[in-house]
Amino acid sequence: DIQMTQSPSSLSASVGDRVTITCRASQNIGNYLNWYHQKPGKAPKLLIYAASSLQSGVPSRFSGSRSGTDFTLTISSLQPEDFATYSCQQSHTTPWTFGQGTKVEVK
Amino acid sequence: QVQLQESGPGLVKPSETLSLTCTVSGVSVSSGDYCWTWIRQSPGKGLEWIGNLYPRGITNYNPSLKSRLTMSLVTSKNQFSLRLTSVTATDTGVYYCARTYVRGDHEIDFWGQGTLVTVSS
Repeated sequence: DIQMTQSPSSLSASVGDRVTITCRASQNIGNYLNWYHQKPGKAPKLLIYAASSLQSGVPSRFSGSRSGTDFTLTISSLQPEDFATYSCQQSHTTPWTFGQGTKVEVK
Repeated sequence: QVQLQESGPGLVKPSETLSLTCTVSGVSVSSGDYCWTWIRQSPGKGLEWIGNLYPRGITNYNPSLKSRLTMSLVTSKNQFSLRLTSVTATDTGVYYCARTYVRGDHEIDFWGQGTLVTVSS
């Protein structure tokens, strides 16, 4: 299985901060990398697909990038509604696998 | 508006069968643009992909569950289902049904709210 190593596991930030979350794949997955966020008791929501494409309706403060097998999700200016858990997922090879998640908390 | 809603027992006894149904509205489960996906999340852990179900009945299962797993479509009711046999406590978790867009990079673009299943006697 392809391992997705996500870091950090948690971070504390303030409204307006720039936040960066990283996901590393254990092998080449091309651009088959998606990012989701999830609030407690709610379903995950797709933010970024194909490494860097913004899902319809998602604010432009979210962006994604790729460098080899390293992928980054950036929130340019953290908003109150962005405090949540963020997960990456590879859809290159089954079984699809997810990162362990990054919890973004209030500083 | 696309909606997915999971339903099924919240409590299942060890060694028995877990059965869940996902009712879809706003899109046909027969659409060739999508496949239908189950994901679960065990307490305190990350998300785990269970499997995909394509409109022609083609399935793709997580090998770790394959021997116990059956997914099927009920097109007349616009539903799809999951059946997991011989459950143990490790099968406890929140189960999500979801829609995956297959014309792109297979991104999971809509999720149900999830249903908690507890395996306990």
